[in-house]
Amino acid sequence: GQNIDQPTEMTATEGAIVQINCTYQTSGFNGLFWYQQHAGEAPTFLSYNVLDGLEEKGRFSSFLSRSKGYSYLLLKELQMKDSASYLCAVYQGGKLIFGQGTELSVKP
Amino acid sequence: GAGVSQSPRYKVAKRGQDVALRCDPISGHVSLFWYQQALGQGPEFLTYFQNEAQLDKSGLPSDRFFAERPEGSVSTLKIQRTQQEDSAVYLCASSLTLETYNEQFFGPGTRLTVL
Repeated sequence: GQNIDQPTEMTATEGAIVQINCTYQTSGFNGLFWYQQHAGEAPTFLSYNVLDGLEEKGRFSSFLSRSKGYSYLLLKELQMKDSASYLCAVYQGGKLIFGQGTELSVKP
Repeated sequence: GAGVSQSPRYKVAKRGQDVALRCDPISGHVSLFWYQQALGQGPEFLTYFQNEAQLDKSGLPSDRFFAERPEGSVSTLKIQRTQQEDSAVYLCASSLTLETYNEQFFGPGTRLTVL
């Protein structure tokens, strides 16, 4: 079966750091994506990991451990505009299998 | 165009009506995907195409759902005899190829409400 788990909601303060975790159990794995989705808008690509380790891109970093079926997205120097849903997705056989998304609220 | 476009953006249908949702992918993108997103949930895979070939339709919830991409560019998702449980946002995405590292670019979605 396919199971991708992430927290439903998180709250953080402007300027702080937040880590959004994602665990997965899937029958196949060809990489893990993180997408950001603002309410009523299309998901937009943030990061892609296929090998273990940390990928850094500006204020955003993503980590993958394939042996543990675990990834996290790290957001630094939070801004109000970072309030959005963050979607973890496993790439498998040509398609993305998404988690339910984590709704992040950034407070002043 | 610059990105993936979808039309209509909003659709209200009476239960039992047929609807057709259109997706215009990024020019030159070989792969096209359809997802269904219920409120407060992540997108769920429906089907995907490579050029005009439908390679996987395992996510289509019933035989009332049908997708096509006859010329390998524009795609249409058709839902026959709509039901209330079909209410959702339908997202289309395209990518350059099916290679893993090619990110999928999403359109803004069509919000379908079935009354």
